[in-house]
Amino acid sequence: GALVYQYPRRTICKSGTSMRMECQAVGFQATSVAWYRQSPQKTFELIALSTVNSAIKYEQNFTQEKFPISHPNLSFSSMTVLNAYLEDRGLYLCGAWDRENSDYTFGSGTRLLVI
Amino acid sequence: GDSVTQTEGLVTLTEGLPVMLNCTYQTIYSNPFLFWYVQHLNESPRLLLKSFTDNKRTEHQGFHATLHKSSSSFHLQKSSAQLSDSALYYCALAGGYKVVFGSGTRLLVSP
Repeated sequence: GALVYQYPRRTICKSGTSMRMECQAVGFQATSVAWYRQSPQKTFELIALSTVNSAIKYEQNFTQEKFPISHPNLSFSSMTVLNAYLEDRGLYLCGAWDRENSDYTFGSGTRLLVI
Repeated sequence: GDSVTQTEGLVTLTEGLPVMLNCTYQTIYSNPFLFWYVQHLNESPRLLLKSFTDNKRTEHQGFHATLHKSSSSFHLQKSSAQLSDSALYYCALAGGYKVVFGSGTRLLVSP
């Protein structure tokens, strides 16, 4: 079946530093990968949608300068949180559409704590 | 754009009573996927149910939901609430390679 491995599961970074999270799709081709954030006590917000060989589309309030994304092939995507501050803490999820099986699969999430 | 509206805030129930969490959506896609996710404290959301077939009931772990495209609804139901059902529930819509989440409904089941 289709799986998305996301790592790290949990990370702590100092305020002003950066951290990178990665997602690996297994069992299907992740043509498009979306990244989401759940801030404390809030729902999930879409950060950006990345499609291989296409420009990455960022949602309002999220920018490439703050959340650069790499999606070099059909099985891998990474996102970096640059200059992380307190408001960046939360749970980050990647998700990908498995076109062959008509299913959407999320990674297990990366919980970011900023100190 | 796409949107999902679900029962707001906190729903409190006594164990054994039926559960009904509402979810309606708006989308430009004619064949959207609808999901229910459950999230326990400090955990990632876990898929509970999903459907893209109109008027077909889908069930898992005692919960069920039916996608009704005519009313753009995908309500979550369970005949008898258990203490372990206490969690945060999200209704979500997938269309165009991305997912839109509702605001979440916290279910609290008490003895």
